[in-house]
Amino acid sequence: GAVVSQHPSWVICKSGTSVKIECRSLDFQATTMFWYRQFPKQSLMLMATSNEGSKATYEQGVEKDKFLINHASLTLSTLTVTSAHPEDSSFYICSATSTSGGRETQYFGPGTRLLVL
Amino acid sequence: GENVEQHPSTLSVQEGDSAVIKCTYSDSASNYFPWYKQELGKRPQLIIDIRSNVGEKKDQRIAVTLNKTAKHFSLHITETQPEDSAVYFCAASRGGSYIPTFGRGTSLIVHP
Repeated sequence: GAVVSQHPSWVICKSGTSVKIECRSLDFQATTMFWYRQFPKQSLMLMATSNEGSKATYEQGVEKDKFLINHASLTLSTLTVTSAHPEDSSFYICSATSTSGGRETQYFGPGTRLLVL
Repeated sequence: GENVEQHPSTLSVQEGDSAVIKCTYSDSASNYFPWYKQELGKRPQLIIDIRSNVGEKKDQRIAVTLNKTAKHFSLHITETQPEDSAVYFCAASRGGSYIPTFGRGTSLIVHP
C-alpha cells in the first residue's frame, strides 16, 4: 500500500515553544491530508483537513492560530503547534488519501508523540 | 453530520474464539466503511474495507458485513490469536471528499 511518513516521531519541548510536525506521502500525491489528535485510550479526533494550495479547514473547537497547517506541495503538509502548553501533549497523526482505480484509500502516518513540559 | 457508534468498547476472548465488533452510522449517504487496527503507540492500519455495493467481504480470518437498511456494519475475526490484540476502529464516509468519521474504538484482548 501507499506510504505516509511523519517527522519527528517524538518530541519533548518546553512550554511556550513551537513545534513543527511534517507529514509526507512518499509514493503518491495527496491533494488532501488530514491531521488527527489522539489521547490515550481514545479515538482519533479530526483536527483539520489540509488542502494543497489553499487554507486548511479546521474542525469546530480547534484553534487555527494555535495549530498552523501548511500544505506546501502535493506530498507535504506541516502542522505547527504554536506556544505549546502541557495540555497540548498528545499523539498527533496525519493521514493522506491515495486514489487507485478510481477508489480512495486513507493511509496513516506513524504518528508524532508530543510531550510539553 | 455523520455519527458512528461502536460497540463494545472492550472485548476479551480466549485464543481460538471468534470476536465480533459492531458499528452503526447515521448518514444514509455513507458508502465506504473501512476498519483499522491500531497497536499500542503505532499508526492505524487498514485491515479490511467494504463499499456499499456489497454486503459482505472476507479476507482469511477477517470478514466484514454491511446492512445498509439498518445502517450497521460489523467486523468478524475468527480463530483469534494473541497478536490480534489491539484497538480496532470502524469508520464511515461518503467517499469523494473523504472525511471519514471514526468510531470510538474497541480494545480487543486475546488471552493465550
